[in-house]
Amino acid sequence: DAGVIQSPRHEVTEMGQEVTLRCKPISGHDYLFWYRQTMMRGLELLIYFNNNVPIDDSGMPEDRFSAKMPNASFSTLKIQPSEPRDSAVYFCASRSGGNTIYFGEGSWLTVV
Amino acid sequence: AQSVTQLDSQVPVFEEAPVELRCNYSSSVSVYLFWYVQYPNQGLQLLLKYLSGSTLVKGINGFEAEFNKSQTSFHLRKPSVHISDTAEYFCAVTAHASGGSYIPTFGRGTSLIVHP
Repeated sequence: DAGVIQSPRHEVTEMGQEVTLRCKPISGHDYLFWYRQTMMRGLELLIYFNNNVPIDDSGMPEDRFSAKMPNASFSTLKIQPSEPRDSAVYFCASRSGGNTIYFGEGSWLTVV
Repeated sequence: AQSVTQLDSQVPVFEEAPVELRCNYSSSVSVYLFWYVQYPNQGLQLLLKYLSGSTLVKGINGFEAEFNKSQTSFHLRKPSVHISDTAEYFCAVTAHASGGSYIPTFGRGTSLIVHP
């Protein structure tokens, strides 16, 4: 089975530009998570969805960040406008009714 | 609320030596516990998990962990490490309660560096 698929794997963009990260969860999984990983803050949960509905977005750092899940097989994380401090690795992950979370390979974002 | 503390940010060790990566947690309810591994430039993947039953849990790549409820610990061990075990290791805890959503809390990670 295909795992969690994220795109792009690497993104370099200029400050002020819009960034869209994409995620395809594992088929049949009903939870989807967006995490951010930095050296300073470690792994942070930004937002998670259950059955396509956002449940907790308290980890979203500010209004520049938004996430959507229009259907069970696709989610986006958007940053508009982007800033250099947004540079990080962004992980999408999904889970079925059990407890194991499956992570994608990550999207490496650099904002210059 | 739940929390996880990984006591060592970095653990250097020589190849074929034993290793222990420490993890302590706090929670007011029963927990599920996990260890994930992150190889360079990759996502996290599950090493092992404790849900219930035997407190000694065996995972992939020869790793094992022991759940100690009285000490609120879930330390990860391997009797003989390889160069290929060099990676970041994350401990995670999920508090399970009736009607809960089982969202895990991750530790800050421990970087295992295996020297030849």
